Amino acid sequence: DQQVKQNSPSLSVQEGRISILNCDYTNSMFDYFLWYKKYPAEGPTFLISISSIKDKNEDGRFTVFLNKSAKHLSLHIVPSQPGDSAVYFCAARSSNDYKLSFGAGTTVTVRA
Amino acid sequence: GAVVSQHPSWVICKSGTSVKIECRSLDFQATTMFWYRQFPKQSLMLMATSNEGSKATYEQGVEKDKFLINHASLTLSTLTVTSAHPEDSSFYICSAAMGQGGGKLFFGSGTQLSVL
Repeated sequence: DQQVKQNSPSLSVQEGRISILNCDYTNSMFDYFLWYKKYPAEGPTFLISISSIKDKNEDGRFTVFLNKSAKHLSLHIVPSQPGDSAVYFCAARSSNDYKLSFGAGTTVTVRA
Repeated sequence: GAVVSQHPSWVICKSGTSVKIECRSLDFQATTMFWYRQFPKQSLMLMATSNEGSKATYEQGVEKDKFLINHASLTLSTLTVTSAHPEDSSFYICSAAMGQGGGKLFFGSGTQLSVL
């Protein structure tokens, strides 16, 4: 049973515009959420995270929004750059547990 | 950030042979490491949780006799795919936890296993 869902398998965006990636979760025990970026044949690299006590966290071009009532989070990348082209995974866990549940990923392509 | 080294990055083997994959935390001690498997264009699926000095905890559906995990030290966990078959071909990724529960996870670079 997929507890973290990324319903958009791919996203194409023009350089300089905003990329918005969405993620939904079903497990109400999750209270810590992370976004990872992954290139082919490489391990994921951490991008940004958010605790359930917040509804927004910003780090440079990356902002994560959390809507607990809707069990939904999103990652905004602005402005998008060609180097942002990668697969983005949403992940979630409870705050006292390392075990992560991953979404299926969204492939982002930034067009020049 | 912290470094997790995974080796080998790529391996081809014959059906029936065993393959060992190593995961090392280079600059921190990791009492807990995780092993994931990823099929093409799919999510990372947790296979097992490896705790230093104790038996690994396997996720439902993962054969513990086929995927042997050893976490003999605070910086090394190994995954051995025993009697590999073509359906075991996949991308395997480890991660290591820094700090106590709820701390940061760092991922290795992954191992692409192809079984002929």
